[in-house]
Parts: sequence; C-alpha cells; structure tokens
Amino acid sequence: DQQVKQNSPSLSVQEGRISILNCDYTNSMFDYFLWYKKYPAEGPTFLISISSIKDKNEDGRFTVFLNKSAKHLSLHIVPSQPGDSAVYFCAASHSGNTPLVFGKGTRLSVIA
Amino acid sequence: GAVVSQHPSRVICKSGTSVKIECRSLDFQATTMFWYRQFPKQSLMLMATSNEGSKATYEQGVEKDKFLINHASLTLSTLTVTSAHPEDSSFYICSARRGGGWYEQYFGPGTRLTVT
Repeated sequence: DQQVKQNSPSLSVQEGRISILNCDYTNSMFDYFLWYKKYPAEGPTFLISISSIKDKNEDGRFTVFLNKSAKHLSLHIVPSQPGDSAVYFCAASHSGNTPLVFGKGTRLSVIA
Repeated sequence: GAVVSQHPSRVICKSGTSVKIECRSLDFQATTMFWYRQFPKQSLMLMATSNEGSKATYEQGVEKDKFLINHASLTLSTLTVTSAHPEDSSFYICSARRGGGWYEQYFGPGTRLTVT
C-alpha cells in the first residue's frame, strides 16, 4: 500500500507560469514532509520541507502548502523556469529516526 | 553544507564478481545512512538503513548476504554487491542524515552499476 502518492506522473507548464505539484498521503503519523528534485542519472536534491505544525513554508520561488485534514500537500513553483524541468519527489516521515517514504515522482517540463 | 559523495559514479563488472560502492558525508556527521536503488522510470526503492557502528536494517525482499552494508564511521558507509548478476544492474543512491532528530536526508549523486 502506497503511503505517499503522487498521482500525476507528468506535468507540462509554460515558462513564467506557476507549476503546482501535488502529493497525498495516507499515514496520519507523518509529521514532516519534504520535496526533492531529481535530474536523470543524479541523486535527488533537497528543495524544501514543512513540519506538520505549519501549513505553509516559502523559500524563494518555492512554496509548500500542507493541508493536514485532507492529508495533502503541494509544491508551487513561481515563476517556472526551464531549469526547473526535472522529476519532483514528495517524501514524508514520522519521527526523526525512520526512513523517508517517497512518492513515485512527477516529471515537470517547463516549456520556453 | 550537507554534501554527500559516492564513488565510483559508474562501474561495469563481470557476472560473478563483487563491487563496492562508497558513500561519504563530506561536511557533516551522518549517524544514519540509507541505500536506495532506482530502476528506469521508477521511484527510489529503499534497500537498507544503516546506523554507525551497528548492523544494517534491510527492507523486505532485499538479500542481506548479497548486498553487504558497512557503516564503519560517521562519514562513511559502503555497499558491496556480492556475486553480481545482470539483474543487479541498476542505479544505486545513498543518502545521509545528521543525528539529533534532523529529518532531511541528503543524497549522493548515485552509482550506475552495469553487470555484463
């Protein structure tokens, strides 16, 4: 059973517009959520995270929103740039000692 | 900060031989390191979790005698693929996490293993 789901395998957005990547989770014990960006043949790069005590965290062009009642989080990238084209993984964890649980990823393509 | 390196980045070996992959945290001490495997167009599959100075915890379905993990220091973990077969060909990625309750994991660049 997948505890972290990214239901859109791919997303295409025009340069300058907003990219919204979605993630749903089923385990109510998760209390920390992270987004990673991955290029082909490279390891994932940490982007941004959010604790369950918050509903929004912003870092430059990246904002993560958390809706605990819906068990849903989203990553907003605005404005989108061609260099943002990559696979984005949502991950979740409960307590600091357990491995992250990853979604299957969403491939974002930003078109110039 | 939080840089993780992996070596080698690519390795080709013959069937039946063993391959060692190193994972190092360069600018922090990693009490926990993780090893993942990624198949083409698929998500990261956690293979095992290793804590410094103790035995690794393997995920279900991962053969611990085939994938030997050693976490000898706070900055180094190694994965040895023993008696490699073509089906072991994959992209192996390690990640490291600081101690003290930090959640973030920092990933290495990955190692492409090809077994011929």
